[in-house]
Amino acid sequence: GQSLEQPSEVTAVEGAIVQINCTYQTSGFYGLSWYQQHDGGAPTFLSYNGLDGLEETGRFSSFLSRSDSYGYLLLQELQMKDSASYFCAVSSLKAAGNKLTFGGGTRVLVKP
Amino acid sequence: DGGITQSPKYLFRKEGQNVTLSCEQNLNHDAMYWYRQDPGQGLRLIYYSQIVNDFQKGDIAEGYSVSREKKESFPLTVTSAQKNPTAFYLCASSTADNEQFFGPGTRLTVL
Repeated sequence: GQSLEQPSEVTAVEGAIVQINCTYQTSGFYGLSWYQQHDGGAPTFLSYNGLDGLEETGRFSSFLSRSDSYGYLLLQELQMKDSASYFCAVSSLKAAGNKLTFGGGTRVLVKP
Repeated sequence: DGGITQSPKYLFRKEGQNVTLSCEQNLNHDAMYWYRQDPGQGLRLIYYSQIVNDFQKGDIAEGYSVSREKKESFPLTVTSAQKNPTAFYLCASSTADNEQFFGPGTRLTVL
C-alpha cells in the first residue's frame, strides 16, 4: 500500500517561514506534488518534484529526496491568505494511469 | 473559460436512494478522477478514467459507480450500498502532466 505522513497543524505569524514535511511509503514512486486548499474550496496545484532537489515558485518552494522518501514545502514571507490546508500527494505510475495518493493535510494558520 | 464544473453544489439524499453527481470539463483532458474528502482529512480516490469508455477502481470504490461515455463527462453515482456517503466529493482532470485540476466540489448529506 501507500502512506504519507505530514503534521496536522502549524501556526505562524505574518512574514515568517513555515516548512511542512512529508514522508511517504509507496511502491512505484513517480513524483511528489503539493496542493493548497482553502476552507470549503477545491484543492489547487502548487508544485511538483519528480527529481531530487529544490523547485522554487515565487514564495513557495518544494524539495524532494527520493532516497529518504521525504519532501517538504517551504512557505516564505507568510501572508494571511496563506492560511489554508496543504496536502502532499504521491504519484504512482501504474499500468492503468497516473494516480495520486494524498496525505492527511497540514492546516496552516497565519496570525497577524 | 476552460474549467471543471460540478453539480449540484449541495445534495441531500435519503437512505436507500441512489444519487448521481455531475462532472464536466472543457479542458480537453483525457484523464478524470473522483475523490472523497471527509472533514479534516485528505482526499481518497474513488474511481479514475484515463480514456473514454475505460475506468478503474481507486482505493474506496465500494458503493460507487461511474461511466465515461464522453471525454468531457465523468458522472459518479453514489449507490445505496455506500453506507456512509456523507462527504465532500471532488472531481478532477489532468493531461499527461502531473497537475490535476479540480472542480468546486459537491457536498453530499444523507438525511
